Amino acid sequence: QSVLTQPPSVSAAPGQRVTISCSGSASNVGTNYVSWYQQLPGAAPKLLIYDNNKRPSGIPDRFSASKSGTSATLAITGLQTGDEADYYCGTWDDTISAHVVFGGGSKLTVL
Amino acid sequence: QITLKESGPTLVKPTQTLTLTCTCSGFSITAYGVGVGWVRQPPGKALEWLGITYWDDDKRYSPSLRSRLTITRDTSKNQVVLRMTNMDPVDTATYYCAHRGTSVTLFDSWGQGMLVTVSS
Repeated sequence: QSVLTQPPSVSAAPGQRVTISCSGSASNVGTNYVSWYQQLPGAAPKLLIYDNNKRPSGIPDRFSASKSGTSATLAITGLQTGDEADYYCGTWDDTISAHVVFGGGSKLTVL
Repeated sequence: QITLKESGPTLVKPTQTLTLTCTCSGFSITAYGVGVGWVRQPPGKALEWLGITYWDDDKRYSPSLRSRLTITRDTSKNQVVLRMTNMDPVDTATYYCAHRGTSVTLFDSWGQGMLVTVSS
């Protein structure tokens, strides 16, 4: 059971827009920056978004994210078949001792 | 270019201690603000954070695994070592090391990962 809650799967057609939610609590999402990772099949995770809504260089602006309260959302527009992957949110959690928590991951299917 | 590569045994027996090495290049593990951490992923399951060591040798560990984990550094080789004791089949996973830069609160670069299987 992951500390951050994500939908197990999402799907949309090519060219469409899809959102993935990440729900946490005051001790993690509510207080700290959220990052998003894309994991293509058989590959290591790749940073998509950091500090809630910033894109590293090389990440297209089709990928965007936001945070409100204890929830964060990743949005992908202009879906492509190459976007089929698992997506994870992650952030620091300030309970007990500071540690990192990840969501359970969301599998994106481009129909 | 930042690269990280994990190395170590691919098969360990239950109760044994796992030792994995992360060889870093393109950056110094002692550079101000830098962190190198470990994340694992059981087959078909989600990412699980294990711990991180920082440029100043400060460390943080997963609360649930703290008693079994030790992260150390070999600064002369620019390497970070993960040690996990009392391995169990449920610890079978792909183990990743990852870089945390000064402008990113989590990890911005990841190693390719290596699958470690725990079996007798």
